[in-house]
Amino acid sequence: GENVEQHPSTLSVQEGDSAVIKCTYSDSASNYFPWYKQELGKGPQLIIDIRSNVGEKKDQRIAVTLNKTAKHFSLHITETQPEDSAVYFCAARLDTGRRALTFGSGTRLQVQP
Amino acid sequence: GAVVSQHPSWVICKSGTSVKIECRSLDFQATTMFWYRQFPKQSLMLMATSNEGSKATYEQGVEKDKFLINHASLTLSTLTVTSAHPEDSSFYICSASGLSDTQYFGPGTRLTVL
Repeated sequence: GENVEQHPSTLSVQEGDSAVIKCTYSDSASNYFPWYKQELGKGPQLIIDIRSNVGEKKDQRIAVTLNKTAKHFSLHITETQPEDSAVYFCAARLDTGRRALTFGSGTRLQVQP
Repeated sequence: GAVVSQHPSWVICKSGTSVKIECRSLDFQATTMFWYRQFPKQSLMLMATSNEGSKATYEQGVEKDKFLINHASLTLSTLTVTSAHPEDSSFYICSASGLSDTQYFGPGTRLTVL
């Protein structure tokens, strides 16, 4: 089955700096890669996603890049703010008709004011 | 749009009792719903996938007789933890998917079994 690895497990940045979280996946058939933000005690919230037919997608301060050849994708957050502090999960989905996501292990982002 | 609710948000029960958790898609029809559990500081672990009107598909290692899932309508799925024990204490999260591939998650239910 699919395996998703995520790094780093923790990331601390100063407010205003950029943060980058990287994920690799194992199955080249995966074609959908969402990123979720989870605050303490809450459910994951979709923040951005990308499909395998594009290499980059941007939404204001958040961007995701995908390298299908290398089988890795990354989340980029620019101009970080304290409210960006949360756990971020990447995920991948196989194009087999089954819509189950395989999640990475998560990255705890701490933005220092 | 794309709001998923869960009820209750938290529940405390005695060992041996059963607990039912509801997951609702409020503004879209969810052809597929997923149930996850999450332990502290860990990732989400898929328990089962359910399609409306069909039996749920359970992940390996998940006891289908212990975790009963019903997806009776396009907006409601329920997870019943039967004969709950302290090791079942966890954060249970559902997600719902409609015509698009996007999964929208509920706010989660924290179950504590005494």
